[in-house]
Amino acid sequence: GALVYQYPRRTICKSGTSMRMECQAVGFQATSVAWYRQSPQKTFELIALSTVNSAIKYEQNFTQEKFPISHPNLSFSSMTVLNAYLEDRGLYLCGARMTSQNTLYFGAGTRLSVL
Amino acid sequence: QQQVRQSPQSLTVWEGETAILNCSYEDSTFNYFPWYQQFPGEGPALLISIRSVSDKKEDGRFTIFFNKREKKLSLHITDSQPGDSATYFCAASEGTGGLSGKLTFGEGTQVTVIS
Repeated sequence: GALVYQYPRRTICKSGTSMRMECQAVGFQATSVAWYRQSPQKTFELIALSTVNSAIKYEQNFTQEKFPISHPNLSFSSMTVLNAYLEDRGLYLCGARMTSQNTLYFGAGTRLSVL
Repeated sequence: QQQVRQSPQSLTVWEGETAILNCSYEDSTFNYFPWYQQFPGEGPALLISIRSVSDKKEDGRFTIFFNKREKKLSLHITDSQPGDSATYFCAASEGTGGLSGKLTFGEGTQVTVIS
């Protein structure tokens, strides 16, 4: 079955610092990857949609300058949270989509805490 | 404007009963509706999905009923088990390909099954 691994599972960073999180698709080719943030209240916010060999599309309120994403091949994507502050806390989820399918398979997420 | 709405916010049922989770949407271009199950500390896992050309989809104890005219759908969990206790998210997207189309999530229904 399709598996998506995210690491680290948890991370704590000081306010104003940056942290990078990674997403690995195993057993399938992730043609597109969607990065979401889930708030403590469990609501989902789409950060950006990344498709291999295409421009990364960021949602309103999220920018490349703040959340740079790399999607170099069909099995790997990474996102960095630059200059993190309290409002950036949450569970960052990577959802990977196979070719010609609408289904997103999610990893367990990277939980970001900011001190 | 919340594009996908879920009700109730929380639901408690006895073991063996049927849990009914409701979902409605605004955008008539949505044509794919997955339901995700999320346990504490984990990412959302795809449970069952339906396309707008169907009005019912069944997978074991989980059934989706879909009413396109009313833009409503529901997830029925029959013979509920304590292991079904989780938060369930209704989601929606448009498009037929895997290269585009974002997934919009509802705010979730927290289900508790009491034995």
